[in-house]
Amino acid sequence: DGGITQSPKYLFRKEGQNVTLSCEQNLNHDAMYWYRQDPGQGLRLIYYSQIVNDFQKGDIAEGYSVSREKKESFPLTVTSAQKNPTAFYLCAAKADRTTEAFFGQGTRLTVV
Amino acid sequence: GDSVTQMEGPVTLSEEAFLTINCTYTATGYPSLFWYVQYPGEGLQLLLKATKADDKGSNKGFEATYRKETTSFHLEKGSVQVSDSAVYFCALPTDSWGKLQFGAGTQVVVTP
Repeated sequence: DGGITQSPKYLFRKEGQNVTLSCEQNLNHDAMYWYRQDPGQGLRLIYYSQIVNDFQKGDIAEGYSVSREKKESFPLTVTSAQKNPTAFYLCAAKADRTTEAFFGQGTRLTVV
Repeated sequence: GDSVTQMEGPVTLSEEAFLTINCTYTATGYPSLFWYVQYPGEGLQLLLKATKADDKGSNKGFEATYRKETTSFHLEKGSVQVSDSAVYFCALPTDSWGKLQFGAGTQVVVTP
């Protein structure tokens, strides 16, 4: 089944802990993105990557880190420096020379 | 910078009613325009798109026309069903790297 897989679906974290959200795609798309969604708001871009071993900060990168060691994988780490990490996190991928992005099912992170 | 404004929700309708969700945008040039849909607890799905002025995107009974003169991309459906209850996002790419700018989303609630 082709698509974007995010795991886990729900994640609970204690304050002060780092946590890593997984995003895997088998679409062979070059570009990958992480967005954050808060209630009643649109999506905001955290990080994006166009090719392996390269990534750029989005609008709200502070407190987050990413890696792109493989084309199909783009994990997001939410660090203890992120002041308000409770949110719904969405990973997306886009093929080269196209305009539309496709999204995973999301991970809901709750800090307890 | 590029921006997207869409009507606030929630929009509450009875089954078989006509749905319109307004979306206007500010952008440099003539970007592609998208409507995404988010069902409860899920990620975003691409609903339809238009790539140039006067294009009409359509899918699952939904339609939207790219209006350059009014910088609008309003979403319409002639007869909604309970299963259309979701949050709808208007979006456009802000650069060649595919970063998306989203509206705040419009929640639609369809009652039997």
